[in-house]
Amino acid sequence: SQQGEEDPQALSIQEGENATMNCSYKTSINNLQWYRQNSGRGLVHLILIRSNEREKHSGRLRVTLDTSKKSSSLLITASRAADTASYFCATASGGSYIPTFGRGTSLIVHP
Amino acid sequence: GAGVSQSPSNKVTEKGKDVELRCDPISGHTALYWYRQSLGQGLEFLIYFQGNSAPDKSGLPSDRFSAERTGGSVSTLTIQRTQQEDSAVYLCASSPGLAGGLLAKNIQYFGAGTRLSVL
Repeated sequence: SQQGEEDPQALSIQEGENATMNCSYKTSINNLQWYRQNSGRGLVHLILIRSNEREKHSGRLRVTLDTSKKSSSLLITASRAADTASYFCATASGGSYIPTFGRGTSLIVHP
Repeated sequence: GAGVSQSPSNKVTEKGKDVELRCDPISGHTALYWYRQSLGQGLEFLIYFQGNSAPDKSGLPSDRFSAERTGGSVSTLTIQRTQQEDSAVYLCASSPGLAGGLLAKNIQYFGAGTRLSVL
């Protein structure tokens, strides 16, 4: 079964609006990552947050992590049409080298 | 090369034929992963290499699937006697492994994938 599950499955917004995606997971983690996948392409790493961190920023991206609720959120501020993509969270636990990916959130930003 | 390279980008085959998918990881990356992604789905882990050995091949769906890695670099995923349900995008990723530090070992760099269609 998937360790991380993103919510919502699909999100449609207008350019300039903020987009928020959530990820819930089941077991303790060492870190959590967010990736973006444009149509027909591979995944691109966006940001990694460690289990002892609560918030992290990178440009227009803001990631939060709540280990007590086993959840994370990815906020994209002032969205652009180019942000249209699928977004996946990936969790790593224990000494594992293998992040476990969720099913993703499909984001469409209308110009 | 600058990134992870996969070939071919598209492969159409007939049911029952064998196919080989190739992955060239980022130079120096010790870890290599294969995933399968069906339409609109997440990533299904297939196999993980550290160097030339595969400590975790638990995701291979059947004995028709096999993979090897030579010289700690190029990897080949082979699917024998392909079935229609094998149709998917096969993604390869590499990461620095422990050489990249405790956090970097989990960050993966993906190729664009091979889209396999079994008719």
